Amino acid sequence: AQSVSQHNHHVILSEAASLELGCNYSYGGTVNLFWYVQYPGQHLQLLLKYFSGDPLVKGIKGFEAEFIKSKFSFNLRKPSVQWSDTAEYFCAVTTGGFKTIFGAGTRLFVKA
Amino acid sequence: DTGVSQDPRHKITKRGQNVTFRCDPISEHNRLYWYRQTLGQGPEFLTYFQNEAQLEKSRLLSDRFSAERPKGSFSTLEIQRTEQGDSAMYLCASSLGTGSMDEQYFGPGTRLTVT
Repeated sequence: AQSVSQHNHHVILSEAASLELGCNYSYGGTVNLFWYVQYPGQHLQLLLKYFSGDPLVKGIKGFEAEFIKSKFSFNLRKPSVQWSDTAEYFCAVTTGGFKTIFGAGTRLFVKA
Repeated sequence: DTGVSQDPRHKITKRGQNVTFRCDPISEHNRLYWYRQTLGQGPEFLTYFQNEAQLEKSRLLSDRFSAERPKGSFSTLEIQRTEQGDSAMYLCASSLGTGSMDEQYFGPGTRLTVT
């Protein structure tokens, strides 16, 4: 069965620290990959997505993610986090149909 | 606000009762999704509509669950004979597009508590 694994459930960083959140999926075919974010008290919203082309994709608020097909990974990065990045981050994948599979999420807390 | 809306936001019900939730997608969106989210987990796919047609349904969705999207606009999710294990956040999302890489716009969710 297809699945998405997020390596860290909770991450605590100080402002200006670099961020990398891991995401691995299990599926051997073509995938579309997403990172969604949920800020406190807000709805889930799209951060960035990959479906083809350049494996390094840039999203909103300075986030980027790199698709490494050989590693089945789609890690999220940000060079310097801000207090306002405190949120829960979800990696998700679709595999040709419209069923989206989400990871369990990573709660990020950024200390001011 | 022209985003996805869900009603009610909270529902407390006794085991064995039926409940119905409503989702109003963004008006021009042709696709609508239902998810369930429990504590510490990501959203779990339940079902998907393209216009009024229900095209995909999770095997996790038991016979007690049914969803409709009459006329391809709002959607309802009904749970019959609720069980304590049904307690969760039920999320609705909508999208506009022709492929599986569409951005989904999520609503605020309906939190169900079954006592």
